[in-house]
Amino acid sequence: EVQLLESGGGLVQPGGSLRLSCAASGFTFSSFAMSWVRQAPGKGLEWVSGFSSSGISTYYADSVKGRFTVSRDSSKNTLYLQMNSLRVDDTAVYYCAKDTIGAWPPDAFDIWGQGTMVTVSS
Amino acid sequence: ETVLTQSPDLQSVTPKEKVTITCRASQNIGYSLHWYQQKPDQSPKLLIKYASQSISGVPSRFSGSGSGTDFTLTINSLEAEDAATYYCHQSNSLPLTFGGGTKVEIK
Repeated sequence: EVQLLESGGGLVQPGGSLRLSCAASGFTFSSFAMSWVRQAPGKGLEWVSGFSSSGISTYYADSVKGRFTVSRDSSKNTLYLQMNSLRVDDTAVYYCAKDTIGAWPPDAFDIWGQGTMVTVSS
Repeated sequence: ETVLTQSPDLQSVTPKEKVTITCRASQNIGYSLHWYQQKPDQSPKLLIKYASQSISGVPSRFSGSGSGTDFTLTINSLEAEDAATYYCHQSNSLPLTFGGGTKVEIK
């Protein structure tokens, strides 16, 4: 079964750091582009970051550029999101999502994880 | 940045009715428009990709159309289980963006 499982969320103070993980199974992880998408409580979806299937290119929304870093460990089939200098408005459920193809830019996201909640508050 | 504007924000519908949701892009995105369904406390689910391509396992009552800047998601003969929020998403250019969502509730 194709599956994504996020972990690493929690409560952190403003200015703090957190690393999210997304463990993939059931597909060839290195063959697909992956993204992080977040959803603030009661709000819509916001794309945060992407990682090309080649492993060469990473992409970020302006709202997180310079603070978040996406990476991948293909030996562990895991995608990461290192989040530094966290702000109150980073509070959201963070989903990892798999692209339907391997090229970049991605097209549609056909598999989503269950999400992990990040709360930034003092 | 390509802004996607969905309408309506909320649609209250009786079962078996037809539902039409529109998504307008702020610039030409060709066919690079995808639709998702999100039920409360669940992850989004892909319904339609590239404006009109069906997805395996998605009921045939869901269909999409459009190109350029104007797109439509249609739900024929709404069922109670279709109560959810629907989002459009463009992959034509970075940053990837989503519409604000359309909540479909059952009367």
